[in-house]
Amino acid sequence: NAGVTQTPKFQVLKTGQSMTLQCAQDMNHEYMSWYRQDPGMGLRLIHYSVGAGITDQGEVPNGYNVSRSTTEDFPLRLLSAAPSQTSVYFCASSPSGAGKLFFGEGSRLTVL
Amino acid sequence: QQQVKQSPQSLIVQKGGISIINCAYENTAFDYFPWYQQFPGKGPALLIAIRPDVSEKKEGRFTISFNKSAKQFSLHIMDSQPGDSATYFCAATVSGNTPLVFGKGTRLSVIA
Repeated sequence: NAGVTQTPKFQVLKTGQSMTLQCAQDMNHEYMSWYRQDPGMGLRLIHYSVGAGITDQGEVPNGYNVSRSTTEDFPLRLLSAAPSQTSVYFCASSPSGAGKLFFGEGSRLTVL
Repeated sequence: QQQVKQSPQSLIVQKGGISIINCAYENTAFDYFPWYQQFPGKGPALLIAIRPDVSEKKEGRFTISFNKSAKQFSLHIMDSQPGDSATYFCAATVSGNTPLVFGKGTRLSVIA
Protein backbone atom coordinates (compact mmCIF):
# COMPACT_ATOMS: atom_id res chain seq x y z
CA ASN A 1 0.00 0.00 0.00
CA ALA A 2 1.65 3.22 -1.19
CA GLY A 3 -0.52 5.71 0.74
CA VAL A 4 0.71 9.29 0.20
CA THR A 5 3.81 9.56 -1.98
CA GLN A 6 5.90 12.72 -2.16
CA THR A 7 8.69 13.46 -4.61
CA PRO A 8 11.42 14.53 -4.47
CA LYS A 9 12.54 13.73 -0.92
CA PHE A 10 15.36 16.29 -1.08
CA GLN A 11 15.89 19.32 -3.29
CA VAL A 12 18.30 22.24 -3.36
CA LEU A 13 17.32 25.35 -5.29
CA LYS A 14 18.86 28.69 -5.97
CA THR A 15 16.94 31.87 -5.18
CA GLY A 16 14.55 32.67 -8.02
CA GLN A 17 14.28 29.16 -9.40
CA SER A 18 10.90 27.47 -9.70
CA MET A 19 9.98 23.90 -9.00
CA THR A 20 7.08 21.57 -8.28
CA LEU A 21 6.73 19.24 -5.32
CA GLN A 22 4.69 16.23 -6.32
CA CYS A 23 2.09 14.53 -4.14
CA ALA A 24 0.05 11.48 -5.08
CA GLN A 25 -2.31 9.31 -3.03
CA ASP A 26 -3.87 5.99 -3.97
CA MET A 27 -6.59 5.89 -1.28
CA ASN A 28 -9.25 7.80 -3.23
CA HIS A 29 -9.28 10.56 -0.61
CA GLU A 30 -11.15 13.72 -1.53
CA TYR A 31 -9.35 16.00 0.93
CA MET A 32 -5.68 16.84 0.36
CA SER A 33 -3.42 19.47 1.87
CA TRP A 34 0.11 20.84 2.01
CA TYR A 35 1.88 21.84 5.23
CA ARG A 36 5.31 23.20 5.90
CA GLN A 37 7.22 22.36 9.06
CA ASP A 38 9.82 24.69 10.50
CA PRO A 39 11.64 24.41 13.85
CA GLY A 40 9.52 25.84 16.64
CA MET A 41 6.67 26.70 14.28
CA GLY A 42 4.82 23.42 14.12
CA LEU A 43 2.84 22.52 11.02
CA ARG A 44 1.47 25.43 9.02
CA LEU A 45 -1.11 24.96 6.28
CA ILE A 46 -0.17 26.25 2.84
CA HIS A 47 -3.05 25.18 0.59
CA TYR A 48 -5.76 22.56 0.68
CA SER A 49 -8.31 20.94 -1.61
CA VAL A 50 -11.65 19.33 -0.82
CA GLY A 51 -11.92 17.65 -4.21
CA ALA A 52 -10.82 17.74 -7.82
CA GLY A 53 -11.05 21.24 -9.24
CA ILE A 54 -11.37 22.90 -5.82
CA THR A 55 -8.49 24.53 -3.92
CA ASP A 56 -8.22 27.08 -1.15
CA GLN A 57 -5.55 28.99 0.72
CA GLY A 58 -4.27 28.12 4.15
CA GLU A 59 -2.30 30.13 6.67
CA VAL A 60 0.87 30.71 4.61
CA PRO A 61 -0.03 30.60 0.87
CA ASN A 62 2.21 33.37 -0.47
CA GLY A 63 4.78 32.16 -2.99
CA TYR A 64 3.01 28.87 -3.63
CA ASN A 65 0.48 27.67 -6.19
CA VAL A 66 -1.56 24.48 -6.30
CA SER A 67 -3.96 22.75 -8.66
CA ARG A 68 -6.11 19.65 -8.34
CA SER A 69 -6.99 18.23 -11.73
CA THR A 70 -7.43 14.66 -10.46
CA THR A 71 -8.42 13.09 -7.14
CA GLU A 72 -5.02 11.41 -6.87
CA ASP A 73 -2.59 14.30 -7.43
CA PHE A 74 -2.02 17.60 -5.65
CA PRO A 75 1.22 19.28 -6.78
CA LEU A 76 2.69 22.30 -4.99
CA ARG A 77 4.48 24.86 -7.16
CA LEU A 78 7.07 27.32 -5.96
CA LEU A 79 7.01 30.18 -8.41
CA SER A 80 10.27 31.97 -7.52
CA ALA A 81 12.04 30.29 -4.63
CA ALA A 82 13.25 32.38 -1.69
CA PRO A 83 15.48 31.39 1.26
CA SER A 84 12.42 31.80 3.53
CA GLN A 85 10.90 28.80 1.76
CA THR A 86 13.62 26.52 3.08
CA SER A 87 11.55 23.99 5.00
CA VAL A 88 10.23 20.46 5.16
CA TYR A 89 7.01 20.11 3.19
CA PHE A 90 4.34 17.53 3.97
CA CYS A 91 1.44 16.49 1.84
CA ALA A 92 -1.52 14.89 3.61
CA SER A 93 -4.85 13.41 2.60
CA SER A 94 -8.01 12.46 4.46
CA PRO A 95 -10.89 10.10 3.68
CA SER A 96 -13.53 12.21 5.41
CA GLY A 97 -13.20 15.88 6.12
CA ALA A 98 -9.93 17.33 7.30
CA GLY A 99 -9.38 15.66 10.65
CA LYS A 100 -7.91 12.21 10.02
CA LEU A 101 -4.88 13.09 7.95
CA PHE A 102 -2.53 10.58 6.36
CA PHE A 103 0.86 12.24 5.80
CA GLY A 104 3.57 11.56 3.27
CA GLU A 105 7.17 11.25 4.40
CA GLY A 106 8.03 14.82 3.49
CA SER A 107 10.14 16.76 1.01
CA ARG A 108 13.11 18.67 2.41
CA LEU A 109 13.75 21.83 0.39
CA THR A 110 16.76 24.11 0.74
CA VAL A 111 16.85 27.45 -1.06
CA LEU A 112 20.28 29.05 -1.32
CA GLN B 1 -2.81 33.93 15.21
CA GLN B 2 -2.32 30.66 16.98
CA GLN B 3 -5.59 28.96 17.82
CA VAL B 4 -4.07 25.97 19.63
CA LYS B 5 -1.40 26.53 22.26
CA GLN B 6 0.74 23.53 23.20
CA SER B 7 3.11 23.07 26.12
CA PRO B 8 5.79 22.22 26.98
CA GLN B 9 8.04 22.62 23.93
CA SER B 10 10.23 19.78 25.13
CA LEU B 11 9.93 17.10 27.77
CA ILE B 12 12.32 14.58 29.25
CA VAL B 13 10.81 11.63 31.11
CA GLN B 14 12.35 8.60 32.77
CA LYS B 15 11.46 5.20 31.38
CA GLY B 16 8.33 3.97 33.11
CA GLY B 17 7.18 7.46 34.02
CA ILE B 18 4.13 9.43 32.87
CA SER B 19 4.47 11.96 30.05
CA ILE B 20 1.93 14.79 30.02
CA ILE B 21 1.47 17.27 27.18
CA ASN B 22 -1.10 20.04 27.38
CA CYS B 23 -3.05 22.02 24.80
CA ALA B 24 -5.48 24.91 25.03
CA TYR B 25 -7.80 26.22 22.36
CA GLU B 26 -9.86 29.34 21.80
CA ASN B 27 -12.46 28.46 19.20
CA THR B 28 -15.48 26.92 20.93
CA ALA B 29 -16.72 25.60 17.57
CA PHE B 30 -13.88 23.02 17.50
CA ASP B 31 -15.37 19.54 17.86
CA TYR B 32 -12.56 17.15 16.98
CA PHE B 33 -9.22 17.03 18.77
CA PRO B 34 -6.57 14.63 17.42
CA TRP B 35 -3.01 14.00 18.52
CA TYR B 36 -0.29 13.19 16.01
CA GLN B 37 3.04 11.45 16.63
CA GLN B 38 6.07 12.15 14.47
CA PHE B 39 9.35 10.25 14.46
CA PRO B 40 12.50 11.86 13.01
CA GLY B 41 12.53 11.83 9.22
CA LYS B 42 8.90 10.70 8.99
CA GLY B 43 5.57 12.34 8.50
CA PRO B 44 3.17 12.77 11.44
CA ALA B 45 0.75 9.91 12.09
CA LEU B 46 -2.60 10.00 13.86
CA LEU B 47 -2.21 8.61 17.38
CA ILE B 48 -5.52 9.16 19.16
CA ALA B 49 -8.43 11.59 18.94
CA ILE B 50 -11.37 12.77 21.06
CA ARG B 51 -14.64 14.60 20.60
CA PRO B 52 -15.98 16.99 23.28
CA ASP B 53 -18.90 14.76 24.27
CA VAL B 54 -16.53 12.65 26.40
CA SER B 55 -14.02 13.70 29.05
CA GLU B 56 -11.49 10.94 28.48
CA LYS B 57 -10.41 8.47 25.83
CA LYS B 58 -7.90 5.71 26.35
CA GLU B 59 -6.05 3.58 23.83
CA GLY B 60 -3.43 1.35 25.38
CA ARG B 61 -0.91 3.51 27.23
CA PHE B 62 -2.20 6.71 25.61
CA THR B 63 -5.03 8.74 27.17
CA ILE B 64 -6.61 12.04 26.17
CA SER B 65 -8.22 14.06 28.95
CA PHE B 66 -10.63 16.76 27.82
CA ASN B 67 -11.94 19.73 29.82
CA LYS B 68 -14.56 21.53 27.77
CA SER B 69 -15.21 24.34 30.25
CA ALA B 70 -11.51 25.19 30.47
CA LYS B 71 -11.00 24.67 26.72
CA GLN B 72 -8.06 22.40 27.41
CA PHE B 73 -7.05 18.88 26.51
CA SER B 74 -4.02 16.83 27.31
CA LEU B 75 -2.19 13.68 26.27
CA HIS B 76 -0.97 11.29 28.95
CA ILE B 77 1.50 8.53 28.08
CA MET B 78 1.62 5.94 30.85
CA ASP B 79 4.67 3.74 31.42
CA SER B 80 6.66 5.83 28.93
CA GLN B 81 9.18 3.89 26.84
CA PRO B 82 12.25 4.98 24.84
CA GLY B 83 10.32 4.04 21.70
CA ASP B 84 7.82 6.80 22.57
CA SER B 85 10.53 9.41 21.97
CA ALA B 86 9.08 11.56 19.21
CA THR B 87 7.45 14.91 18.55
CA TYR B 88 3.79 15.12 19.47
CA PHE B 89 1.32 17.58 17.98
CA CYS B 90 -2.13 18.39 19.24
CA ALA B 91 -4.66 19.72 16.76
CA ALA B 92 -8.25 20.86 16.50
CA THR B 93 -10.88 21.36 13.85
CA VAL B 94 -14.56 21.77 13.19
CA SER B 95 -15.92 18.56 11.66
CA GLY B 96 -16.10 18.60 7.90
CA ASN B 97 -13.62 20.19 5.55
CA THR B 98 -12.30 22.86 7.91
CA PRO B 99 -8.53 22.38 7.99
CA LEU B 100 -6.78 21.12 11.10
CA VAL B 101 -5.03 23.71 13.24
CA PHE B 102 -1.90 22.32 14.87
CA GLY B 103 -0.08 23.21 18.05
CA LYS B 104 3.63 23.90 17.74
CA GLY B 105 4.65 20.47 18.95
CA THR B 106 6.36 18.87 21.94
CA ARG B 107 9.60 16.96 21.61
CA LEU B 108 9.49 14.04 24.04
CA SER B 109 12.61 12.18 25.07
CA VAL B 110 12.22 9.07 27.22
CA ILE B 111 15.49 8.11 28.85
CA ALA B 112 16.38 4.78 30.41
